[in-house]
Amino acid sequence: GENVEQHPSTLSVQEGDSAVIKCTYSDSASNYFPWYKQELGKGPQLIIDIRSNVGEKKDQRIAVTLNKTAKHFSLHITETQPEDSAVYFCAATGNQFYFGTGTSLTVIP
Amino acid sequence: GAVVSQHPSWVICKSGTSVKIECRSLDFQATTMFWYRQFPKQSLMLMATSNEGSKATYEQGVEKDKFLINHASLTLSTLTVTSAHPEDSSFYICSASNDETGLGEQYFGPGTRLTVT
Repeated sequence: GENVEQHPSTLSVQEGDSAVIKCTYSDSASNYFPWYKQELGKGPQLIIDIRSNVGEKKDQRIAVTLNKTAKHFSLHITETQPEDSAVYFCAATGNQFYFGTGTSLTVIP
Repeated sequence: GAVVSQHPSWVICKSGTSVKIECRSLDFQATTMFWYRQFPKQSLMLMATSNEGSKATYEQGVEKDKFLINHASLTLSTLTVTSAHPEDSSFYICSASNDETGLGEQYFGPGTRLTVT
């Protein structure tokens, strides 16, 4: 089955700096890669996703890049703000939905 | 769009009783719904996948007689924790998808915190 690894597990950045979270996957058949943001006590919220036929996707301050050859994808948040502080999960889907272990992002004002 | 609600958001029950959690897709038809369990500071653990009108598919290690799932309509799925025990205390989250394969976008509910005393 699929194995999704996510790094780092915790990340602290100064407000205004960029944050990068990386995930690797093992199943070359995986073709859909969403990213979720989860605030404390709430359900995950889809923030951006990418499919295997695209290498990069951007939505305002958030971007996702995908390298299918290397089997890794990354979330990039630019100009971070305190409200970006949350736990972020990546996921990969081949024949099933597999989540990464999560990254706790803290943006320091 | 793509709003999923859960009810209740928080429930406390006594050991031995049963608790039902509802998951509703408010503005789309969910052909597939998922139930997850999440422990503090951990990732989501898939418990089961349900398709409307069909029996749920449970993940290995999840007791189907303990966690009863009913997906009666395209907008409603319920999870019933039967004979709850303190070890069942957890954060339960549902998600819904209008992708019949279940491999497309999933939209998550806000979660239900269950505390069994």
